[in-house]
Amino acid sequence: GENVEQHPSTLSVQEGDSAVIKCTYSDSASNYFPWYKQELGKGPQLIIDIRSNVGEKKDQRIAVTLNKTAKHFSLHITETQPEDSAVYFCAAREGNEKLTFGTGTRLTIIP
Amino acid sequence: DGGITQSPKYLFRKEGQNVTLSCEQNLNHDAMYWYRQDPGQGLRLIYYSQIVNDFQKGDIAEGYSVSREKKESFPLTVTSAQKNPTAFYLCASSISGPGNTIYFGEGSWLTVV
Repeated sequence: GENVEQHPSTLSVQEGDSAVIKCTYSDSASNYFPWYKQELGKGPQLIIDIRSNVGEKKDQRIAVTLNKTAKHFSLHITETQPEDSAVYFCAAREGNEKLTFGTGTRLTIIP
Repeated sequence: DGGITQSPKYLFRKEGQNVTLSCEQNLNHDAMYWYRQDPGQGLRLIYYSQIVNDFQKGDIAEGYSVSREKKESFPLTVTSAQKNPTAFYLCASSISGPGNTIYFGEGSWLTVV
């Protein structure tokens, strides 16, 4: 089955700087890669996703890049703000199969 | 409002008791899922259902049971056979089909006392 590794497990950045979280996956058939943001005590919320037919997708301060050859994808947050502090999860999915999650990154924005 | 509603938000269970967590969605989604999250950990799939009256085991189904009698409802029962049930439980749903977005509810905290 699919295995998703996520790094780093914790990340602290100064407000205004950029943050990058990286994930690798094992199943070359995976073709859907969402990113979720989870605030304390709440359910994860989808913030951006990418499908295997594109290499990059942007939504305001958030971007995701996908390298299918290397089987890794990354989340980029620019101009970070205090409200970006949360736990971020990557995930991978092949077709209609189950979504496999990474272990999460706790992002802290330092004012 | 459209969305996924989980109840209760907080639940305490005595050892040896079964408890049922409710999950209702009004998004008209065919597929529904239950995940377990332990503190500081990722999400692990317990059960999922792609269609009414059908469901499959996920990675950690032992000690849990589900039913899918209605499209909008997917209750999870945590049985006394689950040895370590204290966790945060998340229900999710999606349109069936490849690459469709999975949406989550707000979760239920279960504590064994």
